[in-house]
Amino acid sequence: AQSVTQLGSHVSVSEGALVLLRCNYSSSVPPYLFWYVQYPNQGLQLLLKYTSAATLVKGINGFEAEFKKSETSFHLTKPSAHMSDAAEYFCAVGPSGAGSYQLTFGKGTKLSVIP
Amino acid sequence: NAGVTQTPKFRILKIGQSMTLQCTQDMNHNYMYWYRQDPGMGLKLIYYSVGAGITDKGEVPNGYNVSRSTTEDFPLRLELAAPSQTSVYFCASSYSDGTGQFFGPGTRLTVL
Repeated sequence: AQSVTQLGSHVSVSEGALVLLRCNYSSSVPPYLFWYVQYPNQGLQLLLKYTSAATLVKGINGFEAEFKKSETSFHLTKPSAHMSDAAEYFCAVGPSGAGSYQLTFGKGTKLSVIP
Repeated sequence: NAGVTQTPKFRILKIGQSMTLQCTQDMNHNYMYWYRQDPGMGLKLIYYSVGAGITDKGEVPNGYNVSRSTTEDFPLRLELAAPSQTSVYFCASSYSDGTGQFFGPGTRLTVL
């Protein structure tokens, strides 16, 4: 069974400050890991994904995440927050390989950016 | 290329009514999914399909039904609406290599 834990349902940062959103996972097989962003009243948009290649993954809008197997973590970071980053962020884990299809989502972290 | 489209955007139902949420994708994805999203709970998988004619239950299938007669369409049916089905419903699709799902804009359903 897979599970995802996102630490902190709500994170506030000042504009220009570092963004760090935490995600820990459990999986019985090598995982695929994803971060999605959801803006108000919209669907989820894929930010980045880890699929067993490079452990440091770069995504859209200046976000990146590092896969750390020893810590079972996949934290999302951005060096400098922008007002437009205010949204809800979801971490998800999936089984790896062809034929995989189910994702398990975390409960989400709402990011507020203070001007 | 419209991606994943869902209709309607909003709907209010009375208890016991039925309705179908429509989902269409134009990316030729084999895999399609229905999720519901409740505040603070993340997304829960209702049903999924790995190809036309093949569907299976997810984590929370009770009260819902699906069909997949074509690659493009994956409608979700609510037969007897209940207040517990008040939620935001998202349809998604993906390739079969597990490299990420594409989501539609969602349908906000209220059952009164």
